[in-house]
Amino acid sequence: DVKVTQSSRYLVKRTGEKVFLECVQDMDHENMFWYRQDPGLGLRLIYFSYDVKMKEKGDIPEGYSVSREKKERFSLILESASTNQTSMYLCASGPGGAHFGDGTRLSIL
Amino acid sequence: GNSVTQMEGPVTLSEEAFLTINCTYTATGYPSLFWYVQYPGEGLQLLLKATKADDKGSNKGFEATYRKETTSFHLEKGSVQVSDSAVYFCALSDQGTYKYIFGTGTRLKVLA
Repeated sequence: DVKVTQSSRYLVKRTGEKVFLECVQDMDHENMFWYRQDPGLGLRLIYFSYDVKMKEKGDIPEGYSVSREKKERFSLILESASTNQTSMYLCASGPGGAHFGDGTRLSIL
Repeated sequence: GNSVTQMEGPVTLSEEAFLTINCTYTATGYPSLFWYVQYPGEGLQLLLKATKADDKGSNKGFEATYRKETTSFHLEKGSVQVSDSAVYFCALSDQGTYKYIFGTGTRLKVLA
């Protein structure tokens, strides 16, 4: 079974902080994704990567950046956290259907 | 652009009732279609998928058929259980970019 591991289940940070969310997958997948999930809005794609050092913006990239230095690891970076980035963040890898981690519930105070 | 529309919830059913959750899509080309389930406090799990027209995906008593003529992928189950209570997401994969596009989710509540 594919395992996608997100580094934290819950995280609390302050506005203006730089925040790192880490995701690791163990299936040698080329494609990895970061989504945020908000009530009533479903899942919205922030960024995705189809290879090491390759990235593409999703639908809501503003305020975020990503890093993929190794195939198994895809990091999401909030450059200067703001309260409107309080959300559930979900990492996934593919192909063949997106395989998700358990999510990180991030609160920005 | 590509999009997925699914029925608003919540859907409340009694145990052993028949379930249908509607999903329609807009896409260029021939996307693959998916249903995911999210239990409280957890990430999304792939429930079933179909990769071409007329394919039927099935898993754990759930099934959905890829209908190209109606651009639909409705989720059905003949007899729901309390343990099926969760949020269900319909999704498609963009053929060109491999992105996954999700609907807004439908919450299902099954009462004993």
